[in-house]
Amino acid sequence: EIVMTQSPATLSVSPGERATLSCRASQSVNSNLAWYQQKPGQAPRLLIFGASTRATGIAARFSGSGSGTEFTLTISSLQSEDFAVYYCQQYNNWPPLTFGGGTKVEIK
Amino acid sequence: EVQLLESGGGLLQPGGSLRLSCAASGFTFSNSAMRWVRQAPGKGLEWVSGITGSGDSTYYADSVKGRFTISRDNSKNTLYLQMNSLRAEDTAVYYCAKDLRYSSGWGQGTLVTVSS
Repeated sequence: EIVMTQSPATLSVSPGERATLSCRASQSVNSNLAWYQQKPGQAPRLLIFGASTRATGIAARFSGSGSGTEFTLTISSLQSEDFAVYYCQQYNNWPPLTFGGGTKVEIK
Repeated sequence: EVQLLESGGGLLQPGGSLRLSCAASGFTFSNSAMRWVRQAPGKGLEWVSGITGSGDSTYYADSVKGRFTISRDNSKNTLYLQMNSLRAEDTAVYYCAKDLRYSSGWGQGTLVTVSS
């Protein structure tokens, strides 16, 4: 099973600032990585797939990068609606599909 | 627009059984693989099970293998998750989601609570 590790667990950021979230895989997942955003009481929303491709309707301030074992989600200028929990998920070697533990982006 | 609506959650005792349903609309259901993902209270996301569009192939997390069964009825555009021998650690919100590997369409979730 591929273990996905996200850091930091919590990120405190001021509105308008840049946020950088990390995700590490225990072995290579190539570019088969997705990022999701989840707000309290809501289902996850797909942001990025293929490590760097934005899903339909996702704002350009969200960008993904990386391949192999190291990945990054960058939010270039945080808006109020971006404060949420973010999860990475690999789909290279499955089953099982595996998620990271999440990074909570909170208002500083 | 993809719409997924889960139902069937509830409170039950350890060892009990429950069947979740997920009604799909807005896309060609029979052409789409589907999956179940759960989230324990205050915890992260955990993939549970997946099924191909035809239903010929199914996949399970080790934590539920042998206890849960995923199935679908393409004539009713509905996905199911039969859960048997439920444990306290199965307590979670269960989401159905479109596609096997990553999902752009999710339901709102249904809460399953296993407690004595």
